[in-house]
Amino acid sequence: GNSVTQMEGPVTLSEEAFLTINCTYTATGYPSLFWYVQYPGEGLQLLLKATKADDKGSNKGFEATYRKETTSFHLEKGSVQVSDSAVYFCALSSGGYQKVTFGTGTKLQVIP
Amino acid sequence: DADVTQTPRNRITKTGKRIMLECSQTKGHDRMYWYRQDPGLGLRLIYYSFDVKDINKGEISDGYSVSRQAQAKFSLSLESAIPNQTALYFCATSDPTTGRADTQYFGPGTRLTVL
Repeated sequence: GNSVTQMEGPVTLSEEAFLTINCTYTATGYPSLFWYVQYPGEGLQLLLKATKADDKGSNKGFEATYRKETTSFHLEKGSVQVSDSAVYFCALSSGGYQKVTFGTGTKLQVIP
Repeated sequence: DADVTQTPRNRITKTGKRIMLECSQTKGHDRMYWYRQDPGLGLRLIYYSFDVKDINKGEISDGYSVSRQAQAKFSLSLESAIPNQTALYFCATSDPTTGRADTQYFGPGTRLTVL
């Protein structure tokens, strides 16, 4: 079956530091890959997505590249802000019904 | 704004009680989902519905039931609540008619505590 593995948190960074959150996946076929973000007290919202190999998703300064050869979709941001503090979920969607499989989430805390 | 809403936002109940969590959406999406979120386990799918007449079990449906009353409403019931059903519950929707079929839109969540 499909699965998503992401690095455990929490990750604590100082403001303006570089962020990487690792994500690898196992899936049949050609999945779409996502990063969702959950701010405190809120539901998840889509941060970015990529639908085929070598695609780069980007949004709000975050980027992730779909690497089929390494089955990875690592999230990066060059300079984090306090407002980026949240839980980040890597996810994939595949198959005819396009159900989404989520990773366990990585909590990011950015300190001033 | 088109939105996904959940009621109640917080609920404390006792073991053995029946409880219903409700989800409504104004996005006009046909597909709706119920997930539960537990620390260290991420989100797990309980039930999903692709239209009013199409309801399917997810990976952890035992102890839960659902009702799709209309395109816009999808309710989750715990027939006899137990403490290990204490979790954060999310409703989500998606739209198969566009190229964004696999993007899901989440409600704000219901925090359920079973004593």
